[in-house]
Amino acid sequence: GAVVSQHPSRVICKSGTSVKIECRSLDFQATTMFWYRQFPKQSLMLMATSNEGSKATYEQGVEKDKFLINHASLTLSTLTVTSAHPEDSSFYICSASSGLGNIQYFGAGTRLSVL
Amino acid sequence: QKEVEQNSGPLSVPEGAIASLNCTYSDRVSQSFFWYRQYSGKSPELIMSIYSNGDKEDGRFTAQLNKASQYVSLLIRDSQPSDSATYLCAVNLDRGSTLGRLYFGRGTQLTVWP
Repeated sequence: GAVVSQHPSRVICKSGTSVKIECRSLDFQATTMFWYRQFPKQSLMLMATSNEGSKATYEQGVEKDKFLINHASLTLSTLTVTSAHPEDSSFYICSASSGLGNIQYFGAGTRLSVL
Repeated sequence: QKEVEQNSGPLSVPEGAIASLNCTYSDRVSQSFFWYRQYSGKSPELIMSIYSNGDKEDGRFTAQLNKASQYVSLLIRDSQPSDSATYLCAVNLDRGSTLGRLYFGRGTQLTVWP
């Protein structure tokens, strides 16, 4: 199956700092990458959709100036949580799709804890 | 309002039994349907994709799709304790769009006891 790598797996940071999360498709070209957030005992909430070389499409209620997404190549997308606060603490998961059948393959996730 | 509904469970079955997971969705024009498994603290992994009405089998797993009833299910035969996880139903609800966004249900927690 397709492999998606996500780093780091865990981040603990102080309030007010920025955190960058990387998502890479290792063995396929991802025309589209997706960023999700998951709070405990809840399902995945889509934050944004990014296509290589274009601006990300954010879901309603997601602050685009706080969650910066860059999709610089067909294998790499980054999510930067700017000026993180404790309420941003969550499990952030990326996924990548080549477009075939709308199948998304997920990275391992990043657990962010903001103190 | 785009919705994907799952019976939240928890569902508990003995080892060797059939586990049945159900999902309904709100948009009649949806074309792509998926079941993902998520272990506690981990990210989802794809189990099955299904696009046409009827059954699709892969090993111990069978997905069933009925577009007229807007219903998709997952059967797990010969359930094993290692199948204990949360099962997420996901549906592509973007009518006519190439965005490929998936909308996830809340998940059904399955426990298979030995």
